Formats: sequence, C-alpha cells, structure tokens
Amino acid sequence: TAGITQAPTSQILAAGRSMTLRCTQDMRHNAMYWYRQDLGLGLRLIHYSNTAGTTGKGEVPDGYSVSRANTDDFPLTLASAVPSQTSVYFCASSSETVTEAFFGQGTRLTVV
Amino acid sequence: KQEVTQIPAALSVPEGENLVLNCSFTDSAIYNLQWFRQDPGKGLTSLLLIQSSQREQTSGRLNASLDKSSGRSTLYIAASQPGDSATYLCAAGNYGGSQGNLIFGKGTKLSVKP
Repeated sequence: TAGITQAPTSQILAAGRSMTLRCTQDMRHNAMYWYRQDLGLGLRLIHYSNTAGTTGKGEVPDGYSVSRANTDDFPLTLASAVPSQTSVYFCASSSETVTEAFFGQGTRLTVV
Repeated sequence: KQEVTQIPAALSVPEGENLVLNCSFTDSAIYNLQWFRQDPGKGLTSLLLIQSSQREQTSGRLNASLDKSSGRSTLYIAASQPGDSATYLCAAGNYGGSQGNLIFGKGTKLSVKP
C-alpha cells in the first residue's frame, strides 16, 4: 500500500510566491497533520485535522493554511513564502487522534 | 505546555552492544508515547506505540517502556547492528489544545560501529 504520499519531493521557491504542498493518504485515516522539521528545533506541528471538514492550528501556524475537503487529502498552502519557511515538511495521519501516527517521506522546501 | 526531552543527543556504540535511549516528558496526561526511526533525508518510521494504560511494548530486538508517573520512556535496543544507525525520536500524544496532538523530542542520533 502507498500509505501517505507527499508531492513534490523537493522545491525551490522564490520569496513572495505561493505554493501548495500536497498530501494524500489511502488508509482512510480520520486525523491528518502537517509538521515542519528544522535543525536544532525538531518537529513542530503546523496544522492538524481531526476529521474531514475540520482543521486546527498547531504550534507554528503563521504563514500557512490548510483545508480538509475529504478524508484522503490535506494540502498545505504557503500564501506568500518567506525564507524562514525553508524547511522539511512532513504530512502524517492516524486513524484517530489517539492512535499510531504514520508519516510521509517529506517535502524539502527552499525559499530564496 | 508539554515538553519532550531526549538524552543523549548523540550516541556511538560498537556493534553487538545493548543500549538504552531515554525520553522524558513534563506533562503526564498523555494518551500514548510513540517511538520513531528516521534515516538521513527520509521520513519517520513508526517503531513502537505504547498506550497510556500500558507499561511496555516489544518488537523484535526493540523494547519500549513507559512510566507516566515519572514522565519517562526508554527504548531498549538489544544486540545493536550497524543497520540500526539512525536518529530515534520519541513523541508524546496529548489531548487536543493549541499544541495539537504529538509533541516530539529532538531525537537521539545513534551510530553503531562495525
């Protein structure tokens, strides 16, 4: 099974441009998450969705937006990218919020 | 606010040694504790999940324990192999709130020398 698929794998983006990171899961999990991973800071939660149609803010939501129109997809949008958003972004899912979480392979984003 | 700490940040051992990785958390009101492995440039692979009502979980050469009262979890790796070299992350599952659900430590980078 594919599990969680993220696209693109990597991207170089000019500052001020917008971009959507895609995340699709085929496990029919209710909960989905977006994290960013930075050297020295570890993994930090950006946004989450406990079920389709609902979203919530994590620890570092500023500059990012998400939507959850259906169970499978959880895109993350940067409306106007800034260099501080250079990071590796991971999408994750779990069947419920209290169960095992599974991660995608990540998207490496560089904002220049 | 939940904080998760992993000590040591890096560990180098010779092949065959048994080793323990430590994870501590400040808020004992967790619903689970999950251990992950991350290889360089890759995503996170789930290793073990311990529910709050459990004391330990085992998978092959890995054993994870949980002591909620003391805010600690350990990951025990038996008979380490060079293929175990990776960064190991623990994450505490919290109920809702602005922090979301999983709070991660910064990881222990393990190197197993042949």
